[in-house]
Amino acid sequence: DTGVSQNPRHKITKRGQNVTFRCDPISEHNRLYWYRQTLGQGPEFLTYFQNEAQLEKSRLLSDRFSAERPKGSFSTLEIQRTEQGDSAMYLCASSLPPREAVPYNEQFFGPGTRLTVL
Amino acid sequence: SQQGEEDPQALSIQEGENATMNCSYKTSINNLQWYRQNSGRGLVHLILIRSNEREKHSGRLRVTLDTSKKSSSLLITASRAADTASYFCATSRGGAAGNKLTFGGGTRVLVKP
Repeated sequence: DTGVSQNPRHKITKRGQNVTFRCDPISEHNRLYWYRQTLGQGPEFLTYFQNEAQLEKSRLLSDRFSAERPKGSFSTLEIQRTEQGDSAMYLCASSLPPREAVPYNEQFFGPGTRLTVL
Repeated sequence: SQQGEEDPQALSIQEGENATMNCSYKTSINNLQWYRQNSGRGLVHLILIRSNEREKHSGRLRVTLDTSKKSSSLLITASRAADTASYFCATSRGGAAGNKLTFGGGTRVLVKP
């Protein structure tokens, strides 16, 4: 499977625990995005990387959230001291960077990690 | 808050009928895209329309864009039960905004066989 993969697919945790999710993008894609989607809503942007550099973080990303992409390949999203409000689907997407001839490249989404905080 | 807002929020039609949904947005954009999401799963890209385009077709899909009204529509013709899903519009401002997507709340479409 050469698509975007995410692990785990489901995570149930107790409030106050830390959780970490992993995203493996399509191999030649150097842009990687994290989104969060709550039930019945559209996804909301959290952060994105170009290679290993984290270029933008949403205000939604509180200091309990941290994302890394250490070698410019896979990425991890960690949530510390989870709260019930963190329960959501966490989606990862990847894309090629824009070029002059192709100013926009499609983002390919993974299946998501569904987090439930009890 | 979401920039894009879809209308209607839910739509129920019979197989073979056409489904139309609308999206409005607030700021200038580089492009607008439509995605489909089956229950509890990831998003599938359907079609992208650039800000200098007015209409685009892909198979049974037709998308229009009116930048003066900051709105777009998605038409699915001859719907099938497999089209049952949530449909989201997403806008991208490009440039320094890094092509991050701003999604609407979605239209939930039910196609009855």
